Amino acid sequence: DAGVIQSPRHEVTEMGQEVTLRCKPISGHNSLFWYRQTMMRGLELLIYFNNNVPIDDSGMPEDRFSAKMPNASFSTLKIQPSEPRDSAVYFCASSSDRGYGYTFGSGTRLTVV
Amino acid sequence: DQQVKQNSPSLSVQEGRISILNCDYTNSMFDYFLWYKKYPAEGPTFLISISSIKDKNEDGRFTVFLNKSAKHLSLHIVPSQPGDSAVYFCAALTNAGGTSYGKLTFGQGTILTVHP
Repeated sequence: DAGVIQSPRHEVTEMGQEVTLRCKPISGHNSLFWYRQTMMRGLELLIYFNNNVPIDDSGMPEDRFSAKMPNASFSTLKIQPSEPRDSAVYFCASSSDRGYGYTFGSGTRLTVV
Repeated sequence: DQQVKQNSPSLSVQEGRISILNCDYTNSMFDYFLWYKKYPAEGPTFLISISSIKDKNEDGRFTVFLNKSAKHLSLHIVPSQPGDSAVYFCAALTNAGGTSYGKLTFGQGTILTVHP
């Protein structure tokens, strides 16, 4: 298995532009998580899905952020419009059963200028 | 509200010595704890875990200790090796009412540097 695959690895965009981050979870995993890494707060959970259904999106910073999981093998995190304070590394992770030992992707480093 | 806290942003130790990374939590409903290790440009990887019914779990050079009354856990690495240099995240899990998924809450991370 190739693990959790995220794309792109790096994204540089101008303030106000739309940004879409993509994630392919491990086949057979039924939970998917989007995290954001910052220096101050470490890994913050933005949203998670179970069986493609959003379970908790309380971590989504504001309405500019949205996430979808149209099927078991694909999820997107969209920021529109993007702002410089959104610059961070965004991780996608997937798990099965009770979520022990999440498998993380390599992350997308987003820079908004 | 930071429910899982790692108050030391960084730690520097000499090769061969013990590394002790600390983590505090506030939510008494947490019943499972994990440590993750992260190298630059990679995602975090699972290292070791402990259930709240135990106070110690050991795996090779890595041992995690849990003090429930103090809401504190620690990761001991002995002996430390230069390859252990990474960011270490503490994480906690609540049994979500017996459902088939779990939401991990992470701390801020501690950067460990092991000098040769």
